[in-house]
Amino acid sequence: KAGVTQTPRYLIKTRGQQVTLSCSPISGHRSVSWYQQTPGQGLQFLFEYFSETQRNKGNFPGRFSGRQFSNSRSEMNVSTLELGDSALYLCASSLAGESTGELFFGEGSRLTVL
Amino acid sequence: AQTVTQSQPEMSVQEAETVTLSCTYDTSESDYYLFWYKQPPSRQMILVIRQEAYKQQNATENRFSVNFQKAAKSFSLKISDSQLGDAAMYFCAYRSPTFGNEKLTFGTGTRLTIIP
Repeated sequence: KAGVTQTPRYLIKTRGQQVTLSCSPISGHRSVSWYQQTPGQGLQFLFEYFSETQRNKGNFPGRFSGRQFSNSRSEMNVSTLELGDSALYLCASSLAGESTGELFFGEGSRLTVL
Repeated sequence: AQTVTQSQPEMSVQEAETVTLSCTYDTSESDYYLFWYKQPPSRQMILVIRQEAYKQQNATENRFSVNFQKAAKSFSLKISDSQLGDAAMYFCAYRSPTFGNEKLTFGTGTRLTIIP
């Protein structure tokens, strides 16, 4: 069974640009969550999608957005990039509603903003 | 809001020895899930062990075990017979039992070094 796949793995952007990151969950998983990981702030929850609906959102500005498609694949978008957006963006999928609550993570997309 | 605290930024242990990583959390909920995740240098986060708060028995997975003290809101991870492959960042995480809430709240992590 394929794991969570994130693309691209690495990307470099300049301030003011926008970026779109993609996440393909494990087959059968309907919940997809996004996290931002930085040395200073650690792992912070961005948002979570289930059946194409955003169910939860973290404390990030509106420049951070996402969506989920009918096949459960998800994308997140960051507009008007700032230097502080440089981070590892992790996607996680889960069998929403099951009692174990385990999230399965992808390898992440490393974003560098210059 | 829930918070998770890992007070040991770095730990080291001799290969084959035992090490304990600490984690405390704060919550007003009576039921919840706790996790330890491992993030090796390759970056993919992997679940090490989970604990449901309503279960009094401490979870165990091979060389990994936890000491769950609900009243003290403490959730430490013990790694026995440490191996070189255990070197990684370890994150303690909390999840609310609320249906539809898949959010994990993470601690700041502990970097574990294994000394050969």
